[in-house]
Amino acid sequence: QKEVEQDPGPLSVPEGAIVSLNCTYSNSAFQYFMWYRQYSRKGPELLMYTYSSGNKEDGRFTAQVDKSSKYISLFIRDSQPSDSATYLCAMSAWAGNMLTFGGGTRLMVKP
Amino acid sequence: DVKVTQSSRYLVKRTGEKVFLECVQDMDHENMFWYRQDPGLGLRLIYFSYDVKMKEKGDIPEGYSVSREKKERFSLILESASTNQTSMYLCASSLESEIGRVKSEAFFGQGTRLTVV
Repeated sequence: QKEVEQDPGPLSVPEGAIVSLNCTYSNSAFQYFMWYRQYSRKGPELLMYTYSSGNKEDGRFTAQVDKSSKYISLFIRDSQPSDSATYLCAMSAWAGNMLTFGGGTRLMVKP
Repeated sequence: DVKVTQSSRYLVKRTGEKVFLECVQDMDHENMFWYRQDPGLGLRLIYFSYDVKMKEKGDIPEGYSVSREKKERFSLILESASTNQTSMYLCASSLESEIGRVKSEAFFGQGTRLTVV
């Protein structure tokens, strides 16, 4: 069993839809949770960063962490074609960035 | 603007060749990482370095070695390339972890797509 599980997709939605991306994990020591966005032929870039449980909002993006269920989510409101990318969840037990990644979910937002 | 630069975007090498992948960061970061990315498997850590001349094995170090002679440069070496090392290789860097530091973002390079034939 992988330490971090993520549905690979692809997930195809119409422009303006609300998108929900999810990861589950098995290591209860994880306390730093990140979402990276990776456009085709580019390196990943940090999108959202949360510590421990709770919600964090940044514009159209909301990250949720439920440590009791070992489940994290990224919500994208009013999705745009420019949101089309692969979204990778990542997590670590310490702030020093020994990251464990999910496999990534490919998102396609159609105009 | 922060930058992690990988020397090549695309490489084609023959089986058995020794391959060097170079990564340079200009942010004075202590930590540097090499990952490989394969469809459905996400990013898997090969090696990381937390200081000059220091290195630690990641999850999949077999067939690879690394070198960090200067703080800004971290090299990945494939001693004898094999076809199962065909992959996207990503370098990343981040600041040193400190107690109380909440955020320590990892910055990634553009990646090197290596094909071994």
